[in-house]
Amino acid sequence: AQSVTQPDIHITVSEGASLELRCNYSYGATPYLFWYVQSPGQGLQLLLKYFSGDTLVQGIKGFEAEFKRSQSSFNLRKPSVHWSDAAEYFCAVGRSGGSYIPTFGRGTSLIVHP
Amino acid sequence: SQTIHQWPATLVQPVGSPLSLECTVEGTSNPNLYWYRQAAGRGLQLLFYSVGIGQISSEVPQNLSASRPQDRQFILSSKKLLLSDSGFYLCAWGGRTSGANVLTFGAGSRLTVL
Repeated sequence: AQSVTQPDIHITVSEGASLELRCNYSYGATPYLFWYVQSPGQGLQLLLKYFSGDTLVQGIKGFEAEFKRSQSSFNLRKPSVHWSDAAEYFCAVGRSGGSYIPTFGRGTSLIVHP
Repeated sequence: SQTIHQWPATLVQPVGSPLSLECTVEGTSNPNLYWYRQAAGRGLQLLFYSVGIGQISSEVPQNLSASRPQDRQFILSSKKLLLSDSGFYLCAWGGRTSGANVLTFGAGSRLTVL
């Protein structure tokens, strides 16, 4: 069975600082990997995804993530955080198939200080 | 383009009352549909998913039920609400092709049971 671990429940950064949110997965084959963002009281929005190919993927809002097979990781990064980036971030792992059920991590809450 | 609608957005219900949350998808056919719940400070819990009309799989035993009367309609129900049913309910849809793993979420329904 697949699983996702987001070891940080909360992350606090200052506006303008760089950001890295950690995600580790467990899956027997090459996974499909995702990062979603959830603003307070809203649904989740896809930030970026990795299916295959280049292990460094670019997403919306200036985010990027790097797939590292040897470390079973898919960490999310942003070089300079804006106050509007304060939100909950979810990593997810998936696979191909019609009856697909994605597995989400518990989320990391990002707090941005001015 | 595809859109997903959830309603009501906010609901306050007494213990023991019934529940009906509705989700509809536009702009796609034969989607996979999902109901998730988010309790305060916790991650996403998959409640139900559906791969077609009348086909519902339950992930967690509870007093909730789901139905899919039409291809793009997914309903979450309860005959008698419990205090523990309070939370943020999210509907999502996913496709059937290689992009099936990408979920699109609705804006959510906030349920408070008093």
